[in-house]
Amino acid sequence: NAGVTQTPKFQVLKTGQSMTLQCAQDMNHNSMYWYRQDPGMGLRLIYYSASEGTTDKGEVPNGYNVSRLNKREFSLRLESAAPSQTSVYFCASSEVSAYSNQPQHFGDGTRLSIL
Amino acid sequence: GEDVEQSLFLSVREGDSSVINCTYTDSSSTYLYWYKQEPGAGLQLLTYIFSNMDMKQDQRLTVLLNKKDKHLSLRIADTQTGDSAIYFCAERGSQGNLIFGKGTKLSVKP
Repeated sequence: NAGVTQTPKFQVLKTGQSMTLQCAQDMNHNSMYWYRQDPGMGLRLIYYSASEGTTDKGEVPNGYNVSRLNKREFSLRLESAAPSQTSVYFCASSEVSAYSNQPQHFGDGTRLSIL
Repeated sequence: GEDVEQSLFLSVREGDSSVINCTYTDSSSTYLYWYKQEPGAGLQLLTYIFSNMDMKQDQRLTVLLNKKDKHLSLRIADTQTGDSAIYFCAERGSQGNLIFGKGTKLSVKP
């Protein structure tokens, strides 16, 4: 039972390079989220997708784009990486509806360093 | 606005009880959560409590909720060295996301 799978686990980029972080879930959840975790800051929401075909900005969306490819997959793209985007990125999914408010399940994270 | 606060550090001796405290601001939160993060790992859901409950017990874990004071606590009985980790309190945000505290680092000394 894989749950939420993120790739890659580690990545080093140079300033200005682009890359896409991949996330897939096998729990048939309708909602998916991208967070970043910085020391002493907890987790902050970058973007989320409440359902297939929709995406919305979170607390810290600048410098990122997302794509909800299908119900399973939600990717995060850095078009021109900056050192301030050095962080650990977590993808999460949950089932959210008017009748259900299930917990979020997290992937193991992508540790991204930008030089 | 939505905000969750918790103390940053807690140190206990093996076998003692640990109590991690959290305050939140959104009185309409229906669920409140505790997650555990071990070094280099992702977030593992420990337990959650529905807002109409005062207490929830799950083996060594006890969650207490004081809705009037917007205070949540996590008690770990008979704390073991394997419990050393960062513990995050979280409430459900308006966008369906989770609003996290900064995390409490629990250190367990043998």
